[in-house]
Formats: sequence, C-alpha cells, structure tokens
Amino acid sequence: EAGVAQSPRYKIIEKRQSVAFWCNPISGHATLYWYQQILGQGPKLLIQFQNNGVVDDSQLPKDRFSAERLKGVDSTLKIQPAKLEDSAVYLCASSARWGIYNEQFFGPGTRLTVL
Amino acid sequence: QKEVEQNSGPLSVPEGAIASLNCTYSDRGSQSFFWYRQYSGKSPELIMSIYSNGDKEDGRFTAQLNKASQYVSLLIRDSQPSDSATYLCAVNAKGNSGYALNFGKGTSLLVTP
Repeated sequence: EAGVAQSPRYKIIEKRQSVAFWCNPISGHATLYWYQQILGQGPKLLIQFQNNGVVDDSQLPKDRFSAERLKGVDSTLKIQPAKLEDSAVYLCASSARWGIYNEQFFGPGTRLTVL
Repeated sequence: QKEVEQNSGPLSVPEGAIASLNCTYSDRGSQSFFWYRQYSGKSPELIMSIYSNGDKEDGRFTAQLNKASQYVSLLIRDSQPSDSATYLCAVNAKGNSGYALNFGKGTSLLVTP
C-alpha cells in the first residue's frame, strides 16, 4: 500500500512570496490533516478535512494560509504572503477513520525555509 | 489549553536495557493515545496506539495507560541503537469541531552501544 505522498520535499522562498504544497493521501483514507512542525516542537494541527469538507481549521492563520481538498482526495496548502516565522516542516497525514480511532499516517513532509 | 507534556531528554540508555518514556496530559476527556517515532530529518511514524487503561504490547514495545492519573508511557525492551530517535506522544480528544491530536514536544532517546 502506497503511503502519503507530498511535494515538493524542500522549498526556499523570500518573505512575502507565495508557496503551495501538495498532498495525496493513502488510497481510501477519507480524513486528511495538515500539520506544521517547527524545529524542536511537536506537530501542530493546521486544518482537518473529512472527505472534501473542513472539519477543523481553528488553528489555521486564515489571513495568509488557505487549504482545499477538491474531490475529497488530493489537497493543497498555500501560504500567501510568507513570513519568516513560517519556516517549518509542513506535514500531511491521513486516516481511514474519523473520531477517536483515527490512527494517522504521515507523509515525508515539505521543509520550507523563508529568507 | 489542552497540554501534552513530555520530558525533552535526552534519555540515554545502554543497548539491551529498557527505555521508559513518559507523557502526561491535561484534558480528562481524552480518549485515545498514540506514540510516534521520529528520526532526525524524517516524518513521524506511528508505532503504538492505546485506548483502554492497562498495558498493550507489540513486539519490543509496551504502551501503558492510566486515565485516572492522566498518564501514558512507552516501554522499549532490549533497546537497540536503531531505536535512537525522538518519541512523540499524541493525545486525541474531541474539540468544538471534531477530534484532533495534540502532540507533546517529544523525548529524545539515545541508545548507546
């Protein structure tokens, strides 16, 4: 079974530029998550989708971050404009179930550096 | 604020010993608990999940849960140098919009030959 795919793996941009990350979850997984992991910290949830609907985006900085999951499969996370403090690893995860039994499986992540 | 606390370490154990990693959480409504292993420069990898009080064993790993004490631990028996990594505790609880995982900052484990 193929795992969660993400691209690009690395991205370097200047502050105030825009960037987009792509995620393809494990086949059949209805729930998709985007996390931000800053060095030395645990992952922090940004947004959660159930199929193509948003379940939780309470920690997404909506003035600059946006995400969509068209057709309930692939997802894109965008940052516009980027700030220095957005430098982090952006992780996508998926789970087959929603609720308390939501074992989540992570993709390899995208390491973003904002200069 | 739902907190998940872990000792950052590093926890150093000799090869072959038992490594004990601990995690406490603040939300009494938490219902499921997960341990992830994260090697440097890699993404988190799920190694254990536990939902009920008591012990759950999987190979060299044992997860222990005590909901009354709001405490979850991970034991690694016969530790190997390849177990050297950061171990993340994740706690699942229902919020206003759905279920979300809160992660601790992780404990760094170093297994010395």
